[in-house]
This record gives sequence, structure tokens and C-alpha cells, in this order.
Amino acid sequence: QSALTQPASVSGSPGQSITISCTGTSGDVGGHDYVSWYQQHPGKAPKLMIYGVTNRPSGISDRFSGSKSGNTASLTISGLQTEDAADYYCTSYRTSIYTYVFGTGTTVTV
Amino acid sequence: QVQLVQSGAEVKKPGASVKVSCKASGYSFTTYYMHWVRQDPGQGPEWMGIIRPSYGVTQYAQKFQGRVTMTRDTSTSTVYMELNSLTSEDTAVYYCAREGYLGYDPSGYHFDNWGQGTLVTVSS
Repeated sequence: QSALTQPASVSGSPGQSITISCTGTSGDVGGHDYVSWYQQHPGKAPKLMIYGVTNRPSGISDRFSGSKSGNTASLTISGLQTEDAADYYCTSYRTSIYTYVFGTGTTVTV
Repeated sequence: QVQLVQSGAEVKKPGASVKVSCKASGYSFTTYYMHWVRQDPGQGPEWMGIIRPSYGVTQYAQKFQGRVTMTRDTSTSTVYMELNSLTSEDTAVYYCAREGYLGYDPSGYHFDNWGQGTLVTVSS
């Protein structure tokens, strides 16, 4: 299945804000609010950062926030910290057939 | 706390099968759905399928239909993923991932806890 489109890399300095986009279609990102974001450090399992487009799990810093406009979802990291350097993936449920599609991934450099 | 502990790394020959386990603890096993996701080296994750542990109902990604089987053992709170007819393209890290609730709905459409991953290497 076609992956959701993310920029390959985004960089920022400590304290700055960055935004990662995730573009899909009306059949996935644009069709509902089931978009989530994951952080993955090298050799580690993905970690849930945002679910339901805008919700943060308990224990996740409020520096992480999510939004959506049309077929594009976004993850914003404010007050960038060195430990935020990682790969980030979006994912969305695809309504036409029961499946989940992941984004192409974005490497964040601080 | 929630823990998902997977079985160890496997090396298989082309054409063989592999069965990966994922033992859950720290929550009520039958009240959360479990997914399997794989990640090729240097690539993004890929969804493989879901099992609903209460009744063992499964749903698989089209790509793996006919080649994957997901099962569960409620007595040991363990889910299993078996993949047949392996090729080198199946070399990947395989994760189990629990589906989080959305309010009181078990269909939360996100993965709130992940296993540590199991590397499966297919090589002749």
C-alpha cells in the first residue's frame, strides 16, 4: 500500500520549533481523526507521541502537539531538545479496507 | 506496568516458516487488541495485521494474506505471529503493538505499547 508522505529530514537548533508534515488522501488522513505519531530512536521500538490527531498520552511532554488540515497532518515540536533527535513516523487508519498505513519517516536533527 | 516481551532473534532459510511470540503482562489481556508491525532495515514500519484476543478474530494486510497466521493463548497471555514461505525480503524486525483505547472504545486506532522487537533474518 502507498505510504503517507513525510519530509525525509527536518533540523533545528535547541529551543526552536519544528513541524513535520504527513500527507495522505481523503481515504486515510483526511477522512477521519485516526492519525498518530511515533518517535523511534536507533535500535529501539517506536514510542507513541500523539494519537487521535491531537491527543498526548500521559507522560509525553506538552512540547509535542499535533494538528490536521485536509489531507495533511502535522507534528510540532517546540522548545527543541537534543533528546528529540530521532526518526518520526505518522500513521493513519485507511477506511476503504481495514488497514493501517505508515508515513515514509522523518529524521529530526537537533 | 504494561509489558510486551517478544521471543528472541531467528535465522531462517528461504522457504521456511518463523513463529514469533509476544507475552503480555500488566493489563487484562483479552480487553485490548494486538497488532503486528514489521520494519525492514532502514525503512519505515509496515502493518501486518490484528488479532482480537478475546475471540481470536484476526484481520490481515492484503500483502500477507495466505502467508501469515496470528493466534493467541489466553492461558499465558501470549500472541503469536507465524509467517510462511520466507524469502530474503522478509528479513526485518517484527514488533507486536497493543492498540490503545479511545475513551471506552477498544478501537483506538493507535499503538500505545510495543514489544522490544524480534529480528528475523532470512538467508541461505
